[in-house]
Amino acid sequence: GAVVSQHPSRVICKSGTSVKIECRSLDFQATTMFWYRQFPKQSLMLMATSNEGSKATYEQGVEKDKFLINHASLTLSTLTVTSAHPEDSSFYICSASKGGTTGELFFGEGSRLTVL
Amino acid sequence: KQEVTQIPAALSVPEGENLVLNCSFTDSAIYNLQWFRQDPGKGLTSLLLIQSSQREQTSGRLNASLDKSSGRSTLYIAASQPGDSATYLCAVRSGSARQLTFGSGTQLTVLP
Repeated sequence: GAVVSQHPSRVICKSGTSVKIECRSLDFQATTMFWYRQFPKQSLMLMATSNEGSKATYEQGVEKDKFLINHASLTLSTLTVTSAHPEDSSFYICSASKGGTTGELFFGEGSRLTVL
Repeated sequence: KQEVTQIPAALSVPEGENLVLNCSFTDSAIYNLQWFRQDPGKGLTSLLLIQSSQREQTSGRLNASLDKSSGRSTLYIAASQPGDSATYLCAVRSGSARQLTFGSGTQLTVLP
């Protein structure tokens, strides 16, 4: 299957700092990428849809100024958690759609964020 | 609003047994349905993708079926192995935004 790389896999930061997570599609171009958040023993919650060259579409209840998404190229989307607080600690996962907006989705390995 | 339900939430079987995982969705106007596997602390691995026009897909010991009209899909795992132990997630792509809606998953344990 296609490969999606997510970096870093783990990050620990102090409260008030910002953290950037990268999501790359290594062997295909993805006009659309998705960002999810997952709490322990729960399923994935869609945060936002990232479209190359345009503004991201955020789900209801997700603060766009808190979670900045940039999709500057067809192979890279970034999620920046700004002024992180302990309640932002979570598992963040990205996915990229191969073959258009309804193509098969491939997921990164996830990023575990811990805010102290 | 699309809702996806997976039953059972957890399942424990002895090695070698065949098993079926169930997924149901409320809005039958879907683009496709995808089954994933997630190991603890890891991302998701795509297992099978079924387009809305298809009835089933097979990959190795896995077979997924789709009955769009009744809003159901099943994942059949033949001759289960301890390495199959993981959480299995069903997700459907639907809506004008073509977003993916996940079920809560079935945690499978295959006992040696």
